[in-house]
Amino acid sequence: DAKTTQPPSMDCAEGRAANLPCNHSTISGNEYVYWYRQIHSQGPQYIIHGLKNNETNEMASLIITEDRKSSTLILPHATLRDTAVYYCISAGIQGAQKLVFGQGTRLTINP
Amino acid sequence: DTEVTQTPKHLVMGMTNKKSLKCEQHMGHRAMYWYKQKAKKPPELMFVYSYEKLSINESVPSRFSPECPNSSLLNLHLHALQPEDSALYLCASSQDRGRITPDSGNTIYFGEGSWLTVV
Repeated sequence: DAKTTQPPSMDCAEGRAANLPCNHSTISGNEYVYWYRQIHSQGPQYIIHGLKNNETNEMASLIITEDRKSSTLILPHATLRDTAVYYCISAGIQGAQKLVFGQGTRLTINP
Repeated sequence: DTEVTQTPKHLVMGMTNKKSLKCEQHMGHRAMYWYKQKAKKPPELMFVYSYEKLSINESVPSRFSPECPNSSLLNLHLHALQPEDSALYLCASSQDRGRITPDSGNTIYFGEGSWLTVV
C-alpha cells in the first residue's frame, strides 16, 4: 500500500504558483520523498526528491516540514503543460527501489 | 527526455500469441523495473531486477515472463494473455548499491511505455 496521501484533484490558474501537498506521516528516517508526474499517455517523469532539507531545481521546489511528516511541491509559474497527475512517494535510498504509487493529485492548470 | 527506450510503443496481440516487450537504457543503471498501469490507475510494480538478477516479483502470473539479458536490456515475454491484461507497460531503471550517496537518492527513470491490447 502507498504510504502517502494526496488530495485527488486541484486546480490552478496559469501563471500562478501551484502548491501540491502530500502527507507522509509514517515516513522513516532513511526514506526520501520523491515527486513524479505523469502527463496523459506518457511515462512518469521525475521531478524532484528530498530527505529533510528543502530542495529546488529547474522544474520545482520541494518544501519538507521539520518533522518530515508532510511536504509541498511548488511549481512556481504553472503553465498549461503542467496539467498532469502528480505522485508523491516515499522510498529508501539503498538498493533497487520498490516505488509504490498512490492515487496522486490530478492538477489542472486553467487558462 | 527519458533515456529509457521501450519498444514497441503499441502492440495488439491475440490470446494465443507469444510476443515480447523490450526495454533499453544506457545510463549505467543496474536496477531495472517493469510496471503495469491500467487506465486511470497509478502504476503497479511487477518485477525488479538488480544486477541482472530478479529480486522482486510482485506475485505476477506466469504468463508474464521477465528476462534481463544484460545490464542494459530488459524484456517482458508475453504468452496466453487475457483481455484484462491490456494496459500500459512501463519500464524503468535506477542506480543500485554501491553508487548511491546520501545526496543522490536512487531516482528511478521511466520509459514512455508500451501500450498493449489483448484481443
